[in-house]
Amino acid sequence: DTGVSQDPRHKITKRGQNVTFRCDPISEHNRLYWYRQTLGQGPEFLTYFQNEAQLEKSRLLSDRFSAERPKGSFSTLEIQRTEQGDSAMYLCASSPALRPSTFGNTIYFGEGSWLTVV
Amino acid sequence: QKEVEQNSGPLSVPEGAIASLNCTYSDRVSQSFFWYRQYSGKSPELIMSIYSNGDKEDGRFTAQLNKASQYVSLLIRDSQPSDSATYLCAVRTPDKLIFGTGTRLQVFP
Repeated sequence: DTGVSQDPRHKITKRGQNVTFRCDPISEHNRLYWYRQTLGQGPEFLTYFQNEAQLEKSRLLSDRFSAERPKGSFSTLEIQRTEQGDSAMYLCASSPALRPSTFGNTIYFGEGSWLTVV
Repeated sequence: QKEVEQNSGPLSVPEGAIASLNCTYSDRVSQSFFWYRQYSGKSPELIMSIYSNGDKEDGRFTAQLNKASQYVSLLIRDSQPSDSATYLCAVRTPDKLIFGTGTRLQVFP
């Protein structure tokens, strides 16, 4: 399978615990994105990487959230001291690097990682 | 004002009818627009992209873009019960996609 892969698919954790999600993008894609989606809402942008560089972080991303992409391939999203409000689906997506044109460069999503904080 | 706005629905149409889904956006400089379909409990799946004013057709789907009115729409012809899902409008701004809340479509037999 050459799509975006996320692990684990489901995670139930107690409030206050730390959790980490992993994302493996499509192999030739330089850009990797993290989104969060709650019930009845569209995906909300969290952060994105171009290769190993984290180029933008949303104000939604509190200090408890950290993302890395150390070798420009897979990425991890860690949530420290989880809260019930962190319960959501965490979506990873990837796309090719920007071409000079602003068109194109569709992003493709993985299947998501569901987090439930109890 | 939200950057991307959609009516949350549900939009209910009978099988075989045309479903019309609408989206407005606030950033005038946006150039790329996308429609994703999301089944309950699943991740978004790209179905259409459009960059130029006018219509773009792909099978039963037609995307329409009017940059002057900052308006994007998706038409689904010959709607099928399997089209029942949430349809997400997304706008590129410029290095990421911003999504609307989605419109839930229900196609009944």
